[in-house]
Amino acid sequence: ELKVEQNPLFLSMQEGKNYTIYCNYSTTSDRLYWYRQDPGKSLESLFVLLSNGAVKQEGRLMASLDTKARLSTLHITAAVHDLSATYFCAVYSGGGADGLTFGKGTHLIIQP
Amino acid sequence: NAGVMQNPRHLVRRRGQEARLRCSPMKGHSHVYWYRQLPEEGLKFMVYLQKENIIDESGMPKERFSAEFPKEGPSILRIQQVVRGDSAAYFCASSPLPEGTGPLAKNIQYFGAGTRLSVL
Repeated sequence: ELKVEQNPLFLSMQEGKNYTIYCNYSTTSDRLYWYRQDPGKSLESLFVLLSNGAVKQEGRLMASLDTKARLSTLHITAAVHDLSATYFCAVYSGGGADGLTFGKGTHLIIQP
Repeated sequence: NAGVMQNPRHLVRRRGQEARLRCSPMKGHSHVYWYRQLPEEGLKFMVYLQKENIIDESGMPKERFSAEFPKEGPSILRIQQVVRGDSAAYFCASSPLPEGTGPLAKNIQYFGAGTRLSVL
């Protein structure tokens, strides 16, 4: 059974600082997604990482994937308050089903 | 192009009643997925459907839950005889046909705003 673990689960940081969220998964997969969720809202797709060594960047967020280590990171550079949200990683488990397995999410609070 | 539409946004039911949750996928999308989210948890996959077909229901509880995606109209997630443990947010996602096959298919799932079910 595929397991996806994120850490930390809660993170409070100040504006202007850098930090990294980690996502580990337990079985082989070469498709990993990062989503953002604001309170009471839906999930917004941020990144799709498809291959080992993939790196994607959008604004202050950068995501990477190491399939050999079964690890993805979401790095936040010079955080701003608008990035406060819950961030989920999700892994495609394969087998033709296309259901995603989600981590529990990282609740990020960025304080002025 | 409207996104994934779910209704109702909030649904309150008493124990033993039925809950029907609706999901209209994005235009041009033929794949629908249902997920359940408990407080402070990630989303749990329930079922994957294409038009008139259930492709994977490995995440669906064996009893009281059913899903359909008819040829015409929205996808429906139905919960019979609801219990308090069914209280959760239920999200629907849709995706287009995968861009090719194999590992290069991004197959991004686009999520609706969810239905928050409260069972009294």
